[in-house]
Amino acid sequence: QKEVEQNSGPLSVPEGAIASLNCTYSDRGSQSFFWYRQYSGKSPELIMSIYSNGDKEDGRFTAQLNKASQYVSLLIRDSQPSDSATYLCAVLASGGSYIPTFGRGTSLIVHP
Amino acid sequence: EAQVTQNPRYLITVTGKKLTVTCSQNMNHEYMSWYRQDPGLGLRQIYYSMNVEVTDKGDVPEGYKVSRKEKRNFPLILESPSPNQTSLYFCASSLSGQGFSYEQYFGPGTRLTVT
Repeated sequence: QKEVEQNSGPLSVPEGAIASLNCTYSDRGSQSFFWYRQYSGKSPELIMSIYSNGDKEDGRFTAQLNKASQYVSLLIRDSQPSDSATYLCAVLASGGSYIPTFGRGTSLIVHP
Repeated sequence: EAQVTQNPRYLITVTGKKLTVTCSQNMNHEYMSWYRQDPGLGLRQIYYSMNVEVTDKGDVPEGYKVSRKEKRNFPLILESPSPNQTSLYFCASSLSGQGFSYEQYFGPGTRLTVT
């Protein structure tokens, strides 16, 4: 069973702070990693994808990947109340279906 | 507009009454999948399809059927719904092949209640 683990939270940060979301995965051969944002009752929306070790930045978002330690993280700089949502980590494992496995998500609350 | 559509968006039904939730994508994606989402359990994969006439079970396939007769459509069928299938359902599609990232695009969701 290929697993993706996330702390369920909630993670509470003040407006303007950096929010750090973490994800670990079990399949060492995993190749592709995704972060989705999901507002309550809505569908997941892709924020970022990352495929190689290191950092990838897109606006206020930075994804970090460390394949040796099998973790991927998402940093949100200058957090805004509109960033309050559940963040889902998804991992595409080696072989198999080419359909990513999702973690259970971390709830983020950004308070003014 | 590139999108994944699902119908119906909301459905209340009774135990045992067969139902179909439709899913359609206009992005010419090869891969399509169905998920259910329940509080505390996250997104769990029901079935997926890698191409027309190619489907396979995900993590929680019991009580569900799918078909993929056309590339754009991937309906989810509940032959005899039961209350434990009350959930929020999402259809998703993604590109495949070398050089593509398998990023998934989700439909708006179908909230199903089985009484």
